[in-house]
Parts: sequence; structure tokens; C-alpha cells
Amino acid sequence: RKEVEQDPGPFNVPEGATVAFNCTYSNSASQSFFWYRQDCRKEPKLLMSVYSSGNEDGRFTAQLNRASQYISLLIRDSKLSDSATYLCVVNTDNTGKLIFGQGTTLQVKP
Amino acid sequence: DAGVIQSPRHEVTEMGQEVTLRCKPISGHNSLFWYRQTMMRGLELLIYFNNNVPIDDSGMPEDRFSAKMPNASFSTLKIQPSEPRDSAVYFCASSRQTNNEQFFGPGTRLTVL
Repeated sequence: RKEVEQDPGPFNVPEGATVAFNCTYSNSASQSFFWYRQDCRKEPKLLMSVYSSGNEDGRFTAQLNRASQYISLLIRDSKLSDSATYLCVVNTDNTGKLIFGQGTTLQVKP
Repeated sequence: DAGVIQSPRHEVTEMGQEVTLRCKPISGHNSLFWYRQTMMRGLELLIYFNNNVPIDDSGMPEDRFSAKMPNASFSTLKIQPSEPRDSAVYFCASSRQTNNEQFFGPGTRLTVL
């Protein structure tokens, strides 16, 4: 079983739609969680950290469920510019060792 | 401010040749990370340094791979000899401290023929 698992998609949605991605992790001792965004042929960039209480940044909402060991990302009012691959990332021991999921690809269409 | 700088951006080489990838982290960042990304395996951490000292190299695939960080502003990842299965995008990332946000460089796209 992979340490971090995501549905690779692709998710094809129209502009304005709401879309949600889930991610599961295997290590119950995992400490911190993130969503990174990666555009085609570019480097990954931090989108947002994920806190136990959940957090929101504009149209983006991240949630953490420790009991079920999953993380979610909700994107409201999708824009064409949201098209990218979204990487679920877990830090299992508060060191620098980040474990990346395979990524979920989102295509927002006009 | 300049981000993480990597060179070369693209490298095409033949099997058996030595390949050296270079990275300059963001000034003031104490941690540096080398990753490899392929379609099959996704993004994998190869090795990371804290204050120029290698902390975890458990991701380095085999002895053909080596990494150094002689000073705070420069690191190299070397593959000798290279093999076709080493073809991938190699990213370098840096962070202020080990547990902070990591900033990635643009990557080196390596093709080994």
C-alpha cells in the first residue's frame, strides 16, 4: 500500500463547478499535511497547509480527518486557471521528509 | 528575490556517461532537498541536507547516485554511470528550516539514451 494515495483523475469540470479531491495516508503518526499544486512541466508549489480544524483560503478549503486518515481539498467556483495537478503531501515525523501522492489532475473547461 | 536555481534545465546523455546536476538554494535557507519525478513513481525524495550536512539519503536509489553540498549556496547530484531508467525530472528544493515550506526549483529534465 502506498503511503499517500490519491485518485489520479482526471477530473473534468466546467467553469464555476465545485470539485473535491480526497487523499488517504497510511501512517497514523503523520504530523503535518499539505496540498501542493503542479502545473504541466513546472515545479510543485505550496497551495496550502492542512490544519486539524480545517482551513480556508478564498475558494479553497482543506480538511483533515485524523480518525479516517484522509485529507480533502474543495475548490469552489472553478476557474480555467485552476487546471493543474494537485499533490497531497504528508510529513510523517516533522522532519523534512515529505511524502507526495501521485497527484490528481484537474481540467476546468469553459 | 531569486528562487531556487537549477542547471542544466535539460540534459540528454548516453548510457554510461556521468551526469552532474546543480542547485543553488534560496539565500538564507538552511535545508536542501533533491527529488526525482517520473510518471510511474511520482515525486520521490532522494536526499536532504540540513546546514550542508546530509540528514537522510535513504531515497538514493543505488551507489551510482551521490550528492554533495560543499557550502550553503551550492549542491550537486551526480549519477555515474547513468542508465536509461534514470531518465526523469530532478527537482531541487530548499526551505528556511527543515520543517518549513519547501520551494522548488524549475527542475532538470534528464534523458539517458
